Amino acid sequence: QVQLVESGGGVVQPGGSLRLSCAASGFPLRNYGVHWVRQAPGKGLEWVTFIRYDGSTQYYANSVRGRFTISRDNSKNTVSLQMNSLRFEDTAVYYCAKVPYSTTSGYYLDYWGQGTLVTVSS
Amino acid sequence: DIQMTQSPSSLSASVGDRVTITCRASQSIGNYLNWYQQKPGTGPKLLVYGASSLQIGVPSRFSGSGSGTEFTLTISSLQPEDFATYYCQQSYTAPFTFGPGTKVDIK
Repeated sequence: QVQLVESGGGVVQPGGSLRLSCAASGFPLRNYGVHWVRQAPGKGLEWVTFIRYDGSTQYYANSVRGRFTISRDNSKNTVSLQMNSLRFEDTAVYYCAKVPYSTTSGYYLDYWGQGTLVTVSS
Repeated sequence: DIQMTQSPSSLSASVGDRVTITCRASQSIGNYLNWYQQKPGTGPKLLVYGASSLQIGVPSRFSGSGSGTEFTLTISSLQPEDFATYYCQQSYTAPFTFGPGTKVDIK
């Protein structure tokens, strides 16, 4: 069964850092591209970042570029999101999601985790 | 960046109703359009990819259509488990933007 599990969320002060992890079970995450998507309380979905299966390419939303870094350790079957210089507006549930193994429809998100909450508060 | 809009932002419908949600892109995205369903407290679920391809396991009452800049998601006969929020998303180019969502609730 395909399962993605996010971890690492918590409460952090403005300007602080946090590192999220996305772990896979039931399949080798190393074969798949991975997105991070966030959802502020009561708001819609906001795409954050993407990394190709081999780590060769990353994309970022303008709102996080230069502050967030996505990376992967295929030997550990995990993808990480390093978040620095956190702001109040980064408060959200952060989801990781994988893309299909082979697609002609771009990097759509076929399986999602349940999310981890990040709260930026003083 | 490509902007995505959805209409309506919310709708009330009854079980058995036919429901249509529209998504528009600020520039042509071919058929790189995907639809997701989200229920409170859970991660989103993929319904349709490539504008019209149904994800495995999704009931056939869901269908997607469109290309270029205008797309629709149709639920042919609304069921109790379909009350949720629906999002479109473009996978044409980064940043892979989402629409603002359409909340479908019970009339």
